[in-house]
Parts: sequence; structure tokens; C-alpha cells
Amino acid sequence: GENVEQHPSTLSVQEGDSAVIKCTYSDSASNYFPWYKQELGKRPQLIIDIRSNVGEKKDQRIAVTLNKTAKHFSLHITETQPEDSAVYFCAVEVGQFYFGTGTSLTVIP
Amino acid sequence: DGGITQSPKYLFRKEGQNVTLSCEQNLNHDAMYWYRQDPGQGLRLIYYSQIVNDFQKGDIAEGYSVSREKKESFPLTVTSAQKNPTAFYLCASSILPGTGELFFGEGSRLTVL
Repeated sequence: GENVEQHPSTLSVQEGDSAVIKCTYSDSASNYFPWYKQELGKRPQLIIDIRSNVGEKKDQRIAVTLNKTAKHFSLHITETQPEDSAVYFCAVEVGQFYFGTGTSLTVIP
Repeated sequence: DGGITQSPKYLFRKEGQNVTLSCEQNLNHDAMYWYRQDPGQGLRLIYYSQIVNDFQKGDIAEGYSVSREKKESFPLTVTSAQKNPTAFYLCASSILPGTGELFFGEGSRLTVL
């Protein structure tokens, strides 16, 4: 099956700084790459996604970039705020969804 | 109000007992999934179903069983054969199998005493 690696596992940033989380995958047939945010004790929720025919997608302070050749995609959060603190999961779809191991982001006020 | 409902939210079980976790969706989604979440391990797929009366094993199906008798319902049974069942279980659905956004339930936390 697909192998999805996510780094870093923990990330602390000062409020207002940027945060970047990277995921790599192994199956070149993958064509859908979502990112989920999970606040403590709550369900994961989709925050942004990208398909293989697009290299970058942006939604306000959140952006995702995809490099299909290198098989990696990244989540970029700019102007971080304390409410961005959560665990973020990347996922890859190839027949089913495969998830990264998560990044615990802490935004320090 | 559309969504996915999981119950119970918290469940305690004695060793040797089977327990069933409920998952109901009113989103009219064809595909439904069960994931297990352990600290530091992300979400691992237990079972998934693309259509009524059909389901497939995921990466960690041993010790679990499911059924899909109705489109809306996808219950998960954690059997006594599951050696380490204490975990957070998440049910999800999507419009079509393996494509598009996954919608998650609130989760069920199972603790084996």
C-alpha cells in the first residue's frame, strides 16, 4: 500500500510566524491530497485539499503546494494564531485514504 | 442537520467481551470507513465499505468485524480477538469510494479494563 511520511511530528511557532508541514508519499498513482485539522478531543476536519493537476492552492492564510515529480506536498500556514494550535494530518488518496502520522502544532501567544 | 453520528462517545469493556460501535450518516454517501487512532500513529484503516452489503478489510482488520446492511449504517464490532483494543475510533464517509472529502464522526473512545 501507500506509504505516507509526515514531518515534523511537533512544531512550535510564535504567533504571527509561519508554519510548514511536509508530507511525502510513494505511489505515483495518487491524485488527491487533503489536509485535516484535529483539535483536541474533536473530529478531524478538512482544511484544504489539492488534486494532482494543480501545483498550488491557497485559502486565506492556508496554502498547499504539490510536487508530483518529487512526490511531496506541504501545508503552509501564515500569520499563525493561537487557534491554529491543533494536530494536522496529511492524507493521500489512491483507492482508499492513507494518512500521515500527524503534526502537533503549538502557536505561542 | 446532516452529518455522521457515532455512539457511544465513551465505552468501557472488560477483557473477553465484544463491543459494537455505532456509526450512522444521513449524507447519502456511498462509502463509509472505520479508522483507529493511537497517539503518534495517525489514522489507520480498519474496514471500509463502498456499497451496501459489501466491505473490505483495511490495514488492521484483525479482531474487528463490520456489516453494511443499510446505506446509512456501518457498525463496527471489536471482538475479544483484538489484542489491544483501547483506542479512539473514528467513522467517516465520502460521496464516492476513495475520492473527495472525508467527513468524520465525533469518535468513540474505547477503554478495556
